[in-house]
Amino acid sequence: NAGVTQTPKFRILKIGQSMTLQCAQDMNHNYMYWYRQDPGMGLKLIYYSVGAGITDKGEVPNGYNVSRSTTEDFPLRLELAAPSQTSVYFCASVERSNQPQHFGDGTRLSIL
Amino acid sequence: KQEVTQIPAALSVPEGENLVLNCSFTDSAIYNLQWFRQDPGKGLTSLLLIQSSQREQTSGRLNASLDKSSGRSTLYIAASQPGDSATYLCAVAYTGTASKLTFGTGTRLQVTL
Repeated sequence: NAGVTQTPKFRILKIGQSMTLQCAQDMNHNYMYWYRQDPGMGLKLIYYSVGAGITDKGEVPNGYNVSRSTTEDFPLRLELAAPSQTSVYFCASVERSNQPQHFGDGTRLSIL
Repeated sequence: KQEVTQIPAALSVPEGENLVLNCSFTDSAIYNLQWFRQDPGKGLTSLLLIQSSQREQTSGRLNASLDKSSGRSTLYIAASQPGDSATYLCAVAYTGTASKLTFGTGTRLQVTL
């Protein structure tokens, strides 16, 4: 009963480096989301997907990219890491629109 | 702009007290509203989801209400326990937005012995 799995749990990057945050769900959910949470703030939507092959921007997409080649996986790519991207990143999924979203445990990312 | 506000930002109550957490939203065209619990260093756990056509939902000691006309929701916790200590987040999905959630900044609750 894995639910939503995010890897890695922690990561430190240098400015300008690139990395991919992984997200996988085993519930066959169509909808998937990436949010970021800054200290003392609510979550903000980065990108989302309503199905394999379909992605769209959220509120704060600059500096990120996503892909959705399968229903299960929704990786988030940081191309040129900047200190402003230091945050906790959460992936979520839901089967259909009027169901509660399931969240992963997050990836804590520091960029120095 | 669609905004979600939670007041207070932090709350401390003695064990056994009943308490109310507040959430307000600026756009009444909501699809549903969810309350989440977040423990330190952890992800979010969904507590209750209220559809736009509903007035309230209950789960155990938790009761959430929704008043679209006034743009408000409350989360009522009965007989609070130290294990209820966590941050509680309110999130709104608006109509026609593929269930994208707009979050409040949360209320950090501490229940003391």
